Amino acid sequence: DSGVTQTPKHLITATGQRVTLRCSPRSGDLSVYWYQQSLDQGLQFLIHYYNGEERAKGNILERFSAQQFPDLHSELNLSSLELGDSALYFCASSVDTAKTQYFGPGTRLLVL
Amino acid sequence: SQELEQSPQSLIVQEGKNLTINCTSSKTLYGLYWYKQKYGEGLIFLMMLQKGGEEKSHEKITAKLDEKKQQSSLHITASQPSHAGIYLCGADNQAGTALIFGKGTTLSVSS
Repeated sequence: DSGVTQTPKHLITATGQRVTLRCSPRSGDLSVYWYQQSLDQGLQFLIHYYNGEERAKGNILERFSAQQFPDLHSELNLSSLELGDSALYFCASSVDTAKTQYFGPGTRLLVL
Repeated sequence: SQELEQSPQSLIVQEGKNLTINCTSSKTLYGLYWYKQKYGEGLIFLMMLQKGGEEKSHEKITAKLDEKKQQSSLHITASQPSHAGIYLCGADNQAGTALIFGKGTTLSVSS
């Protein structure tokens, strides 16, 4: 158990819908990262927050957004969902930037 | 942009055999991480290498970073069924704000 929690574990929804994925980092970790894993693209970085502020953006679509709250938990919002958004979404946390990232169990999203 | 190439893509070994997985970077590595993933589950952190020539071991797994800091290898000695899974190498991007991952190596261990 990495200490990073993610909810829900599974999510099934329809195209055009909006979903929110939640992540609680390890106790004491200030950085939260979101990644998307699919069979064709592999594991891709989406976005990084540090102590409530956005630090870096990767291959994140404009339909996707994220935030980190004062209690350091983070949410990833995915809207206008398309079939191609079906993937595993991971949250990771680290004590600081450029430190070892510990991954949560992931949320498996299926868009039908 | 930096890319990580892992080889082989998949590997089937008999229990008790040794094996090596390689990770090659298109640019100098600032921090190289090895993770293990069971299919559909989260990534488990194994080891982190930072200095050229560095070598770390944990139980039967040894990871090395070459002197030029562009290639890393993961060696498993006397493989066991519990070693089966997907091994991913990840590297800090230049800003240290994210990890770039290789495509992974799928290891199967037959008993």
